[in-house]
Formats: sequence, C-alpha cells, structure tokens
Amino acid sequence: GAGVSQSPRYKVAKRGQDVALRCDPISGHVSLFWYQQALGQGPEFLTYFQNEAQLDKSGLPSDRFFAERPEGSVSTLKIQRTQQEDSAVYLCASSLVGAGGDQPQHFGDGTRLSIL
Amino acid sequence: QKEVEQNSGPLSVPEGAIASLNCTYSDRGSQSFFWYRQYSGKSPELIMFIYSNGDKEDGRFTAQLNKASQYVSLLIRDSQPSDSATYLCAVKSFQKLVFGTGTRLLVSP
Repeated sequence: GAGVSQSPRYKVAKRGQDVALRCDPISGHVSLFWYQQALGQGPEFLTYFQNEAQLDKSGLPSDRFFAERPEGSVSTLKIQRTQQEDSAVYLCASSLVGAGGDQPQHFGDGTRLSIL
Repeated sequence: QKEVEQNSGPLSVPEGAIASLNCTYSDRGSQSFFWYRQYSGKSPELIMFIYSNGDKEDGRFTAQLNKASQYVSLLIRDSQPSDSATYLCAVKSFQKLVFGTGTRLLVSP
C-alpha cells in the first residue's frame, strides 16, 4: 500500500544501547511528525519536519533523542543511551501540506520499543 | 488541567445503539479537531475532522463542534461490535496534534 511505513515493527534493546527507528512517509507528503505513545495514553508529540527542516523539536524528552530527515523524505528517530522509560510505541505521521494548511495526519503502524 | 480531556471509559453500548464520545479542550484559539480510532496494538486511524461549529456527518459518524463551549463530540449510529476500540480526540496546536487519553468503546452483540 501507499501508507506511512515504519521499521522495525518491534525493537528490543538493552539499557544503554542506541537505537534507530525509521519512517517512510506517504509519497509527496511535506510534513512529517514523530509521536510517542505510552501504554494507555494518547500519542504525545516529539518533533515535526517540513521537508528536510526540523521546525519543532519541543517534544523531545531529552538530548538523548535526535531526529533527522536529510532529503525531505525518509526520517530517522535516534535514541542514544536508552533508558527503561523510553519503552513505548513510536508513531510516525505525515500530511500533505506545511504551515497554514489543515490536512489531516496519517499514521504508520509504529515501532514498539522495549528497553530491558 | 490537561489540554485535551476525554473520559477514559469504558463506554459500553449494545449493538445498534448510538455511542456518544465527548472531548473538551482548553485552548480557546484551537481551530482544527480530529477523531482517530485505535484498535489494540494498531496505529491511530483517522475517522473524521471538523473545523467549523456545528455538525459534520460521514456515514454512521457525526462530529459535533461547539467552540464557545470548547467541546467536540463524536456520535456513532447503529454501533457494531467492530466499532469496539479506543477513540482519540486530537486538537491541532500550531502544526502538532495534542491528543486526549482516549475513550474505550465496547459494543456488545
């Protein structure tokens, strides 16, 4: 299908390891978002890209979290020195337009991260 | 006060009944509102969005928005067991979405 694709679907890491999560948005979607969803909670915003520019990273919980989208398409969310509290589902979403538009966001299936 | 509030439920309704899901938000300047459905272990799926005061209907779903009361709701008519899921209300703040915790809906046969 032509939806948002995320990989891996599941990731288990030991505390202290670095992890990288990938998101491939819907083709042609300008905006890309990362959210973190803890069990029983709604998704919480992490960061937002318009093309390759990271316009908002106010939701990143610490400097261990880093996201990039170097060519304005695929994005990677990297978490360094993982901690148990990083265990969550990481959702990527994309939408058609950037600032000023009101296109809805479409979500990928997420990456379920478990830190042991 | 959380930015977006929903009753976590569960809301239990019999098959064929109308399910009413409610959401309040704190930012009076909010303009765009979204309802997502999330099955257990799955990603949020967009059901409806609404920007203007009043009702917006799409099949069995009706979204209602009252900006003066800072209230948005989702009605599901002729509820089916397959509608059993968590329903997330989201409000657009600048570009990001701010979600409620979701209301779990259970439709019994």
